[in-house]
Amino acid sequence: QVQLQQWGAGLLKPSETLSLTCAVYGGSFSAYYWTWIRQPPGKGLEWIGEINHFGTTNYNPSLKSRVTISVDTSKNQFSLMLSSVTAADTAVYYCARSERQLDTKYYYYYYFTDVWGKGTTVTVSS
Amino acid sequence: DIQMTQSPSSLSASVGDRLTITCRASQSVFTYVNWYQQKSGKAPKLLIYAASSLQSGVPSRFSGSGSGTVFTLTVSSLQPEDFATYYCQQSYSTPQTFGQGTKLEIK
Repeated sequence: QVQLQQWGAGLLKPSETLSLTCAVYGGSFSAYYWTWIRQPPGKGLEWIGEINHFGTTNYNPSLKSRVTISVDTSKNQFSLMLSSVTAADTAVYYCARSERQLDTKYYYYYYFTDVWGKGTTVTVSS
Repeated sequence: DIQMTQSPSSLSASVGDRLTITCRASQSVFTYVNWYQQKSGKAPKLLIYAASSLQSGVPSRFSGSGSGTVFTLTVSSLQPEDFATYYCQQSYSTPQTFGQGTKLEIK
């Protein structure tokens, strides 16, 4: 059974850099995309970005200038860095596993997030 | 970005009721829609992927349908453990986007 364990600083000051890491236990690391999603208090879900084992990344354009997602395949870990944080970045941050399946009708990929970490609450406050 | 709009935003229902939640995309996303359930203080759980495929281990009372811009999640007979918030998500284009959520409460 795949498990994701995440950790990182929970309290930041404005302008600091958020740094979270997620370790993957069990299952294949190379067969999936590894994703970060966040949820501000009382609000909905926001996709931050993803990485595969090759290090290929996709980011949400709204955060792209401040986000870096990296991978360490030797440890089956991936990380999120978000620079210049403000109060608007206060949220629960989830790491997750995402799977792609080929749609043979359109030759396009179905993509869904099927395993989630427990989440890390990050608060930005002066 | 593709906007996903869910309706209703909240509703009250009773155990045994049939529930339908609608999600509308701002442009066609074919069948690249997923549905998640989130309980308070917990991570979301995948219920349905590719609009209508039931994720392994999810009870068969959950079903999804739709294509293009209109999608539905149906629960055939609500159970006590189904009271939660539900989100749709499109995975057709980057950034993947979620609906605002539908909060289901016990009547």
